[in-house]
Amino acid sequence: GENVEQHPSTLSVQEGDSAVIKCTYSDSASNYFPWYKQELGKRPQLIIDIRSNVGEKKDQRIAVTLNKTAKHFSLHITETQPEDSAVYFCAAMSYNTDKLIFGTGTRLQVFP
Amino acid sequence: DTGVSQNPRHKITKRGQNVTFRCDPISEHNRLYWYRQTLGQGPEFLTYFQNEAQLEKSRLLSDRFSAERPKGSFSTLEIQRTEQGDSAMYLCASSREYSNQPQHFGDGTRLSIL
Repeated sequence: GENVEQHPSTLSVQEGDSAVIKCTYSDSASNYFPWYKQELGKRPQLIIDIRSNVGEKKDQRIAVTLNKTAKHFSLHITETQPEDSAVYFCAAMSYNTDKLIFGTGTRLQVFP
Repeated sequence: DTGVSQNPRHKITKRGQNVTFRCDPISEHNRLYWYRQTLGQGPEFLTYFQNEAQLEKSRLLSDRFSAERPKGSFSTLEIQRTEQGDSAMYLCASSREYSNQPQHFGDGTRLSIL
């Protein structure tokens, strides 16, 4: 069945360093890949997304890359700040369904 | 703020009771989704609507669960004869009608079964 694996489960970085979170999906029909940030007790917040016709997308300090052949996509956060600390979820959606399949999350801690 | 609104935020109930949650989507969004999130996990899809039509239901959605969206606006999710394993955060999201549109989530309803 559909599956999204996410690594690492926890990530600690120093303020100003970069953070990279990687996801792998199983459904070759997947063509939409959003990333959500979830702070404790709050809603998942969409921070960036990418569609399968694009290999990379940037928005200020965050970027997402997609390798359709390998079924990998990654979130890159540069110049991390303490307020980036949260749980990040990747997700995938295929063209023939509208449900999101989520990864298991990465807890990012940015130390000042 | 015209984001997705969910009520109540918290619900504590005894095992065996019925509970109902409400979700009000972003007003111009035709699609409405329900997900369930347990501690330390990503959200799991339960069901979704396009307008008033329920288009897909997960195998996770046992016959104790029912969702409605009678007028294509707000939706309710009812759980009958609640069990301990139903304890979770129930999240609602909405999106525009077309495929691969961003889904925007509400704050969720946290259900605790005593």
